[in-house]
Order: sequence, then C-alpha cells, then structure tokens
Amino acid sequence: KNQVEQSPQSLIILEGKNCTLQCNYTVSPFSNLRWYKQDTGRGPVSLTIMTFSENTKSNGRYTATLDADTKQSSLHITASQLSDSASYICVVSPWGGGFKTIFGAGTRLFVKA
Amino acid sequence: DAGVIQSPRHEVTEMGQEVTLRCKPISGHNSLFWYRQTMMRGLELLIYFNNNVPIDDSGMPEDRFSAKMPNASFSTLKIQPSEPRDSAVYFCASSHVGGVQETQYFGPGTRLLVL
Repeated sequence: KNQVEQSPQSLIILEGKNCTLQCNYTVSPFSNLRWYKQDTGRGPVSLTIMTFSENTKSNGRYTATLDADTKQSSLHITASQLSDSASYICVVSPWGGGFKTIFGAGTRLFVKA
Repeated sequence: DAGVIQSPRHEVTEMGQEVTLRCKPISGHNSLFWYRQTMMRGLELLIYFNNNVPIDDSGMPEDRFSAKMPNASFSTLKIQPSEPRDSAVYFCASSHVGGVQETQYFGPGTRLLVL
C-alpha cells in the first residue's frame, strides 16, 4: 500500500534555530515529491518540488533533500523565524498516476521567541 | 494577481441540504483541483480538471458529490444531500499547463459544517 509518513508529528524550536522534518514513503515508482507549508486557516503553499532524479532543492531558508534508495526526504529549515510556525506536508505522486497524490499527515512546527 | 478565489469562506448547513462551493482559478491556469481536508484523513484529492474537462474523479467519495467546470474561470463542487461526515475544509487549487510538476496554487478554502 502506498503510504507517506512524516515525523515528528509536532516540533517546538526556538527562533533562530535550525530544524529538520522527515518524510518516509513507500510509493514506488514515483514521479515527484513536494513539500507544502500550511499556515493555520490557510491553503497549502508549495515550497519545493523534486523529481525522482533530483537530490536537493532549495527555496530560501528551506532545503529539501531526497534519497530515492532509502525512500526518504527531509525538509531543513535554517535560522527559523516566528513566521515558520505552520504545518509542513509531504506529498508524493506515483509514477504514471497523473495527478493522483498521496499526502502525509504533516508535521506541526511551533517556533518560539 | 488575486490568487484562487473561493466562496463562501464558511458554510453551516443542516443535514440533507444541498451545498454548493465555488472556485475561481487564477487567470491563465488550465488545471483545477478540488481537495478536502479533515483532521482524521488529512488532505485528499477529490477531482481535477484540465481545460475544463474532468480528468479523474476517482477521489470523489460518493454520488452525493459532483463537480462542474462550465468555463475556464469557474468551477463548483456540489454536495446533495449533505451529511455531518462531509464537514471539512474544501480547497480549490489551480495550476498552469497541467504537468505533474507544475506548482499548484491553493485558495483559502471553504470551511463546511453540516449539522
């Protein structure tokens, strides 16, 4: 069964610190893997999109990595800010599945001053 | 650019009533998606359109749900009759070209509560 699992479920860090969120998937083969940021009460916003052949993708202070061999992806946030407090969702699209997508449950990040 | 526009932002209705959610995609985008988000199930893709044509509706939970896209600037998701288990946040998203790697832009969502 195709699954996407994220860890931790929630995380509290101090402003200015770095953190790394994990995404493990069983979807194989897959077309692409995306990371979204969702602020409370808002729709998700795309952070990064990686194909199966890419290892890393950056978007400002956000860097996503992908290891297709171990079926793991991580999202690293550098020098966290209060505005980074949100849910981060990992999404995997199966190969040949068109827009069929499998969503992780998300990691809830709280950045404290 | 106004982004994806959804209406209403909040809807409270009674079981059995018809509910219609509306979406205006970003101008120039030719793909549109409807998602549902709940605490229990997270985000789920319900249906997507490309050039106003429904491509895959396998995520639509049952016949009570229907979606239309009469033109490139408007789509509706209808639930008839509504049930309490339909309570969720419904998102509309749009993208350009429609390739699987294209960025999807989400609207603010419609928060539906069925009593």
